[in-house]
Amino acid sequence: DVKVTQSSRYLVKRTGEKVFLECVQDMDHENMFWYRQDPGLGLRLIYFSYDVKMKEKGDIPEGYSVSREKKERFSLILESASTNQTSMYLCASRDNRGNYGYTFGSGTRLTVV
Amino acid sequence: SQQGEEDPQALSIQEGENATMNCSYKTSINNLQWYRQNSGRGLVHLILIRSNEREKHSGRLRVTLDTSKKSSSLLITASRAADTASYFCATRQEAGSYQLTFGKGTKLSVIP
Repeated sequence: DVKVTQSSRYLVKRTGEKVFLECVQDMDHENMFWYRQDPGLGLRLIYFSYDVKMKEKGDIPEGYSVSREKKERFSLILESASTNQTSMYLCASRDNRGNYGYTFGSGTRLTVV
Repeated sequence: SQQGEEDPQALSIQEGENATMNCSYKTSINNLQWYRQNSGRGLVHLILIRSNEREKHSGRLRVTLDTSKKSSSLLITASRAADTASYFCATRQEAGSYQLTFGKGTKLSVIP
């Protein structure tokens, strides 16, 4: 069964901490994405990567950075966590070779205190 | 930026009834997709319909697409309690685009 795995289901961090959210996929997908999901706002794209070492800003990249050193791994970094980054973070991947949907991870619920 | 908007925001039906959710979008699309999300979990891809298709079926799901009205509908027939979830439409704009833009979702409750 193909999978996107996010390293943590729940995470609590302090304001000002540097936070790493890890995402690994085993499907050899080229494209990977980070979204955040907030009540009333839906899913908003933070960053995506269309291939190794490539990254593009999404709709809300401020306060975040990403790293894609290997094809299977896409990391989201909160440089200095703030309380307004408390959210559900969802990673997804997609096969670039056809018209397919995204495969999502189970999500990481991050609370910044 | 939000592209798709689902309607209604919430829907409550009895088990066995059909559930219909609608999605409207603003700009031309390459394809439209529907996803399901169980509470507190990731999204699961249900079905994809291309811009040159009008209707698609998958099991108890039926999706229609009207590009002239920029709208789509998702019909779940003979609903079950396990169908209780939020449903999202998502659009991919150009053929070369990497991004999907999601709506805010319809929360479906199926009462046993």
